[in-house]
Amino acid sequence: GQNIDQPTEMTATEGAIVQINCTYQTSGFNGLFWYQQHAGEAPTFLSYNVLDGLEEKGRFSSFLSRSKGYSYLLLKELQMKDSASYLCAVRDILSGGSYIPTFGRGTSLIVHP
Amino acid sequence: DTGVSQDPRHKITKRGQNVTFRCDPISEHNRLYWYRQTLGQGPEFLTYFQNEAQLEKSRLLSDRFSAERPKGSFSTLEIQRTEQGDSAMYLCASSFGTGSYEQYFGPGTRLTVT
Repeated sequence: GQNIDQPTEMTATEGAIVQINCTYQTSGFNGLFWYQQHAGEAPTFLSYNVLDGLEEKGRFSSFLSRSKGYSYLLLKELQMKDSASYLCAVRDILSGGSYIPTFGRGTSLIVHP
Repeated sequence: DTGVSQDPRHKITKRGQNVTFRCDPISEHNRLYWYRQTLGQGPEFLTYFQNEAQLEKSRLLSDRFSAERPKGSFSTLEIQRTEQGDSAMYLCASSFGTGSYEQYFGPGTRLTVT
């Protein structure tokens, strides 16, 4: 099983930088995902980390520390369209032996002008 | 369009009725997942198929729920004797069995039980 914790809501200003944290406890960690979900839409993939360190992809970066059970998503040069829910998902082993991504409740990011 | 598709997009049903949803994954994806999402929550895992085999089923899933993937392509999720608590968005996702295992989500089926 797993426990995934992330802040419920964050606010930031257009053009700024925001860091969304995620902590987790797992039985058998095999990767961590970040997804973006706009209201009323399906989640879309942002990043995947399986080794420690920082993965950078344009304005978005994701960091992982497996020993600390910790990840963050860093969003730079915020735009209004970045207002969305950001979901942390951990690929963990379930009772049948399969690795399945299970999601946290998401962090609602509100970007103000 | 070769993305994940789901049908119907919306379903309103009366309590006690049965409903069935369909998911068509991306054609080369061998892994298929069903999730349920309610307002303000992340997707909650329901069940997982690798090809036609159902390998995982959440303990939270009551026996009113059943899923199939008969030929390893499309999948169906059936809910029998629906209850108001079943009202949610039902999301289907698929992924390929190697690499980052990135999931591609369909648009979801929004179920309202009255």
